Amino acid sequence: DAGVIQSPRHEVTEMGQEVTLRCKPISGHNSLFWYRQTMMRGLELLIYFNNNVPIDDSGMPEDRFSAKMPNASFSTLKIQPSEPRDSAVYFCASSLDQTPTDTQYFGPGTRLTVL
Amino acid sequence: GNSVTQMEGPVTLSEEAFLTINCTYTATGYPSLFWYVQYPGEGLQLLLKATKADDKGSNKGFEATYRKETTSFHLEKGSVQVSDSAVYFCALRGGKIIFGKGTRLHILP
Repeated sequence: DAGVIQSPRHEVTEMGQEVTLRCKPISGHNSLFWYRQTMMRGLELLIYFNNNVPIDDSGMPEDRFSAKMPNASFSTLKIQPSEPRDSAVYFCASSLDQTPTDTQYFGPGTRLTVL
Repeated sequence: GNSVTQMEGPVTLSEEAFLTINCTYTATGYPSLFWYVQYPGEGLQLLLKATKADDKGSNKGFEATYRKETTSFHLEKGSVQVSDSAVYFCALRGGKIIFGKGTRLHILP
């Protein structure tokens, strides 16, 4: 079974450039989550979707960040323009639905470095 | 609002030692509780979960009991192995999921 797929696995870019992270959730899962992990702040939920609709984007740091889910099998997280403080590991996760008992399945993450 | 507090690490133990990682929570309603584990360079993966009070989740020799009276979900293992070295996250899910800050565990051979 394919798990959650993220690409790229590593991204190095320069400050001011646009960065796009991609995620393919597990087939049949209706909820998708984007997280950011840093040593200083730990694991932060940025945004989550249910049935392709954004439900809670209160964790998105600022307008430079945007996320889309055009269909049930694909989501993007875009940072424009990128800044060095955006350097982190970004995880995508999916779950069957958004009920409390549902397990989240995480992708391997994208390690972003902004120079 | 809902919150999760887990013991700060790192925790360093010798192989075959007994492990406890404390986790307490604050929540309204009846959340589900989870322990996730993150191995180096990987994403989080579910270790175990419990969905109602007094439930015990278990997996790979780890276990945790959902204690509503003490609002706790402590992770335990009777005999740890070097391969258990990882970061462990306690999490609560009522509406959206909330993760603790993680506890890094080092097991020495």
